[in-house]
Amino acid sequence: EADIYQTPRYLVIGTGKKITLECSQTMGHDKMYWYQQDPGMELHLIHYSYGVNSTEKGDLSSESTVSRIRTEHFPLTLESARPSHTSQYLCASSRGVAGIGGETQYFGPGTRLLVL
Amino acid sequence: DAKTTQPNSMESNEEEPVHLPCNHSTISGTDYIHWYRQLPSQGPEYVIHGLTSNVNNRMASLAIAEDRKSSTLILHRATLRDAAVYYCILRDARRGGSNYKLTFGKGTLLTVNP
Repeated sequence: EADIYQTPRYLVIGTGKKITLECSQTMGHDKMYWYQQDPGMELHLIHYSYGVNSTEKGDLSSESTVSRIRTEHFPLTLESARPSHTSQYLCASSRGVAGIGGETQYFGPGTRLLVL
Repeated sequence: DAKTTQPNSMESNEEEPVHLPCNHSTISGTDYIHWYRQLPSQGPEYVIHGLTSNVNNRMASLAIAEDRKSSTLILHRATLRDAAVYYCILRDARRGGSNYKLTFGKGTLLTVNP
């Protein structure tokens, strides 16, 4: 059972508001990821982190920002939410081990964001 | 990144075996084959992975062709809870850079009929 948590699970918010989506894992994983997924569509990586104080942009451009001050915590922030940000946001983590090809990612349940 | 090709959808009956195919004709020698699935309204979950030999775990079996250009995920007895989108993903075994990332395609939507 994966110990990775996301809050809130659902969020409805007005345009222009600042929001932070929380993601925490208790597995001590060094790597964490944020994916974005529109309904019925593919997942796209938007941010990832190899460890504390390390963050990188993913394959899909996003107006969101992330931080990694603690190993277990990887929040995603939107400074000014817009309807185009409406989507599902999924957080994941993994542990770097020898034989990286076998590294497994564990996903949280996701946050469904609706910006009005 | 090497690409994978999967059927858009498949159907199965409950308690029957399901064979989900994946083509990866441009696979490199250092690519592992991973399978994840995503149940409705949930995040993806790991199913199984392999490099060259067939693999079994409590969830499924993975059969890898001898030339590694294709693989098949086998669910031995499908249940209604197996209805999900199944993703076949290649991951480079070398360390560093973008090799840690998962690149999801459209996957195969598996419908299980009671």
